[in-house]
Amino acid sequence: RKEVEQDPGPFNVPEGATVAFNCTYSNSASQSFFWYRQDCRKEPKLLMSVYSSGNEDGRFTAQLNRASQYISLLIRDSKLSDSATYLCAVNIDPNSGYALNFGKGTSLLVTP
Amino acid sequence: GAVVSQHPSWVICKSGTSVKIECRSLDFQATTMFWYRQFPKQSLMLMATSNEGSKATYEQGVEKDKFLINHASLTLSTLTVTSAHPEDSSFYICSSGGLSSYNEQFFGPGTRLTVL
Repeated sequence: RKEVEQDPGPFNVPEGATVAFNCTYSNSASQSFFWYRQDCRKEPKLLMSVYSSGNEDGRFTAQLNRASQYISLLIRDSKLSDSATYLCAVNIDPNSGYALNFGKGTSLLVTP
Repeated sequence: GAVVSQHPSWVICKSGTSVKIECRSLDFQATTMFWYRQFPKQSLMLMATSNEGSKATYEQGVEKDKFLINHASLTLSTLTVTSAHPEDSSFYICSSGGLSSYNEQFFGPGTRLTVL
């Protein structure tokens, strides 16, 4: 079983739509969670950290459910510029550094 | 945020040659850097953790004699792909930071390696 799993999509949505991505992780000892955005042939860039209480940044809302071991990302009022691949990341082993374990990513295409 | 650079951004080489990729932290000191690899339509996979002044820690399945890591200073880590083969063609990305659980990691722009 892969440690971090995401629905690969692609998600094709019209501008203005609301879209949600989910991600599950298998290591219950994981302590930190992130959503990254990756544009084609580029490095990932941090979109949001995901905290236990949930957090919001403008049109983006992230939630963490430790009991069910999943995190989610909600994007409201989608823009064309939101088209990208969204990577869920979980820290691998807090006892040996904070490298990240990534999901395969969910592809989002926002259309006019 | 902090800046991490990588060089070269892309490289094409013949099978059997060695390729060195540099990862630099430009405005902070990095005792730890991470090296990832990403194949097309796949996730980033951690290859190794590079520690300044000591040996790198490799993930299971990554050959340490093939992927040589040197972290001789607080601002530079290098990854050398020795005797590269076409199956080593990939996107190699380094990162630094991540010094605590929610400390942001900063990624370099990546190096696209193509082995002919």
